[in-house]
Amino acid sequence: SQTIHQWPATLVQPVGSPLSLECTVEGTSNPNLYWYRQAAGRGLQLLFYSVGIGQISSEVPQNLSASRPQDRQFILSSKKLLLSDSGFYLCAWSVHQGLDEQYFGPGTRLTVT
Amino acid sequence: TQLLEQSPQFLSIQEGENLTVYCNSSSVFSSLQWYRQEPGEGPVLLVTVVTGGEVKKLKRLTFQFGDARKDSSLHITAAQPGDTGLYLCAGAPNYGQNFVFGPGTRLSVLP
Repeated sequence: SQTIHQWPATLVQPVGSPLSLECTVEGTSNPNLYWYRQAAGRGLQLLFYSVGIGQISSEVPQNLSASRPQDRQFILSSKKLLLSDSGFYLCAWSVHQGLDEQYFGPGTRLTVT
Repeated sequence: TQLLEQSPQFLSIQEGENLTVYCNSSSVFSSLQWYRQEPGEGPVLLVTVVTGGEVKKLKRLTFQFGDARKDSSLHITAAQPGDTGLYLCAGAPNYGQNFVFGPGTRLSVLP
């Protein structure tokens, strides 16, 4: 069966510090991978998606970047965090875009102070 | 950019009551999904609808996709405290395009 992992679960970082969030998927090959951010109790905003190794598409301009160094690994990064980067970050995977179920990880709660 | 609106934003009801929440857009979607999310966790898919007018039932939950594929509703019969959570709808403009999420309806079912 497939599983998706995210870490860390929670993170408190000062403004201006770097960020690295990691997501890994097990039990499937060549998944589509997604990074979302969710404001408190609200909907999901798609930040990045990837259809393959090294292929990253950005949905919104921002202070963040993403990388996919391996087939089942997706990393969200920032060189200098802003207060507005605080939120709940969710990684997800799917077989195809636009029809299939997206399977979400447990999320990372990021607080920038 | 295609936007999804959800109503109501918040809903608090007593156990045993029925409720309906809505997902609306001015745009057409090729498919629409409903997810439920509990605090501190990722969303979990409830249903996918793809045909205009389609109705799907999942135990006490009934989902309907509008004839024009611009809107959807979720009806819960005899709500239970376990139904509490954030209900999100997500629409894909076309097959092969990413889903766009609505802001969600936060449901609280009181025992």
